[in-house]
Amino acid sequence: DTEVTQTPKHLVMGMTNKKSLKCEQHMGHRAMYWYKQKAKKPPELMFVYSYEKLSINESVPSRFSPECPNSSLLNLHLHALQPEDSALYLCASRKTGGATNEKLFFGSGTQLSVL
Amino acid sequence: TQLLEQSPQFLSIQEGENLTVYCNSSSVFSSLQWYRQEPGEGPVLLVTVVTGGEVKKLKRLTFQFGDARKDSSLHITAAQPGDTGLYLCAGGGMEYGNKLVFGAGTILRVKS
Repeated sequence: DTEVTQTPKHLVMGMTNKKSLKCEQHMGHRAMYWYKQKAKKPPELMFVYSYEKLSINESVPSRFSPECPNSSLLNLHLHALQPEDSALYLCASRKTGGATNEKLFFGSGTQLSVL
Repeated sequence: TQLLEQSPQFLSIQEGENLTVYCNSSSVFSSLQWYRQEPGEGPVLLVTVVTGGEVKKLKRLTFQFGDARKDSSLHITAAQPGDTGLYLCAGGGMEYGNKLVFGAGTILRVKS
């Protein structure tokens, strides 16, 4: 299994809603990532979990709350989002250690629209 | 200033033409990856290069890592409409920890 699975594929939410994005991988990767991507731009790093601990938070607003329940799962909890938060949210994972393991495996993303 | 300068930003060519995308930096990377992304989907890894001077071929795609591990190029021979997409280079290394440094991307459109 070389897949990173993200659900849902599409999400429309109001600014007062609470929703969660989910990500799952069964490749035994111990580093997992959340990225935000606007159209035709590169992904922007939001959070990194390493061995189930939050290791990087790129000064992301608190309305985004990540969670790593175990080594295979990664969640992103959303609350009180703004329309400018509309974007493609990507989950990624990778093995740890060594230059050959610096590559990321991405999920297909959640296209989020905030109304 | 981007740590990884990727060029060109946009490329629109006819089917059958050749093209090269460049990724340049003043910094050294321990690895450099190329990804291709279609609209509404996640980036898909094409190749990882780790050795200075390394050349890798994937069908019509040729990837090169500079001798000093500061730059890379992606060359596509006889481009096809199916090559259309966003191409991203990304570099990694110990000094970046768990982060990857992404270039700004190249939007390629191949017309039939």
